[in-house]
Amino acid sequence: DAGVTQSPTHLIKTRGQQVTLRCSPKSGHDTVSWYQQALGQGPQFIFQYYEEEERQRGNFPDRFSGHQFPNYSSELNVNALLLGDSALYLCASSLTREGRRRELFFGEGSRLTVL
Amino acid sequence: AQSVTQLGSHVSVSEGALVLLRCNYSSSVPPYLFWYVQYPNQGLQLLLKYTTGATLVKGINGFEAEFKKSETSFHLTKPSAHMSDAAEYFCAVSPNTNAGKSTFGDGTTLTVKP
Repeated sequence: DAGVTQSPTHLIKTRGQQVTLRCSPKSGHDTVSWYQQALGQGPQFIFQYYEEEERQRGNFPDRFSGHQFPNYSSELNVNALLLGDSALYLCASSLTREGRRRELFFGEGSRLTVL
Repeated sequence: AQSVTQLGSHVSVSEGALVLLRCNYSSSVPPYLFWYVQYPNQGLQLLLKYTTGATLVKGINGFEAEFKKSETSFHLTKPSAHMSDAAEYFCAVSPNTNAGKSTFGDGTTLTVKP
């Protein structure tokens, strides 16, 4: 049973560039949430996708956007990168059942460094 | 609105001693509560969760936590620390309909001394 997989594991970009991170949810899961974890801090919720639509959004600017595909996989896009975007980006999947999502499974994350 | 406060950014215990990591939360709606562990350069692994029912929840690796609504607390304990327990621990709260929209604390680093 494959868990949550993310790619790439590490990447380096320069300020102003754009980046796309990818996530495949755990088998059987239909909902994907993205989190940003800066060094020394807890993860912060970016947004959540279900049925190919953004359903919830945290306090992140429009430079952060996403997509969910029919196979439930998801992408996180960040435009006009800033030094402060350097972080570990975590994808978490869950199953929506009777309108509830009771548990998250996290991937290993994508470590983004912006120079 | 939700928030989590983890009391003590660093906790050090001796091997075999009691582990107690403190977590207080606030939530405007009935919550789900979680504890996760994170090893260096890895993602988060769920230790245990409270969703409904029994307020004392048991998790993996001998950890347990008790949901105390009156104290808005969800402290994590383990009777006897093992060297392999050294890691970063995060407490999280979410609305009781959506674990995917969790709010995390800043984490507690647990050190276990031989």
